[in-house]
Amino acid sequence: QPLLTQSSSSSASLGSSVRLTCTLSSGHSAYTIAWHQQQPGKAPRYLMRLEVSGDFNKGTRIPDRFSGSSSGADRYLTISNLQSEDEADYYCETWDSDTQVFGTGTKVTVL
Amino acid sequence: EVYLVESGGGLVQPGGSLRLSCAASGFTFSSYWMAWVRQAPGKGLVWVSHIYSDGSDSSYADSVKGRFTISRDNAKNTLYMQMNSLRAEDTAVYYCARIADTPAEIDFWGQGTLVTVSS
Repeated sequence: QPLLTQSSSSSASLGSSVRLTCTLSSGHSAYTIAWHQQQPGKAPRYLMRLEVSGDFNKGTRIPDRFSGSSSGADRYLTISNLQSEDEADYYCETWDSDTQVFGTGTKVTVL
Repeated sequence: EVYLVESGGGLVQPGGSLRLSCAASGFTFSSYWMAWVRQAPGKGLVWVSHIYSDGSDSSYADSVKGRFTISRDNAKNTLYMQMNSLRAEDTAVYYCARIADTPAEIDFWGQGTLVTVSS
């Protein structure tokens, strides 16, 4: 079963960019992942699917400020032109036929 | 537009039972795997269970295996979770979610329903 590692927190200034990292466990470096955003007090929202190639496909009405990229076992979510509403928890997810697996989440603070 | 609306949460005593429902609309429900994901207060997302599109197979997290049963009624576009022998550690918001492909990521979430297990 794959495991996902995320840092616990990250912060950046309004209007700047932030890059979040999700690392796949050994033996699972080619797995596709997804990114989800959870604003305070709300349900999660699907952001995108991200392939090992770096190709990504975003969900409905996800702003262009959100993009994905990959390097080896690392999967990245970059938020450009950071807005106040981007302050949230961000979770990565992967899966196999028997389970869905979530990372522990990264809390993004907008300064 | 896709909608997933959970119901059935509430306060239950340890050892008790509860059945959650999730009404789906805006897509062909019978074509998609569906899942339940929970989130304990102040904690992260944890997968609980998923079920095939036709209901023929399902999987469970070890923490709920033998106590929870996922099911679906494709004629009613509804997903269920029967929760028995509830424990304090089952206290969480339970989210219904659609799985994009077979298997794949979750691509739509419900708004969640809170289950509190306490005496």
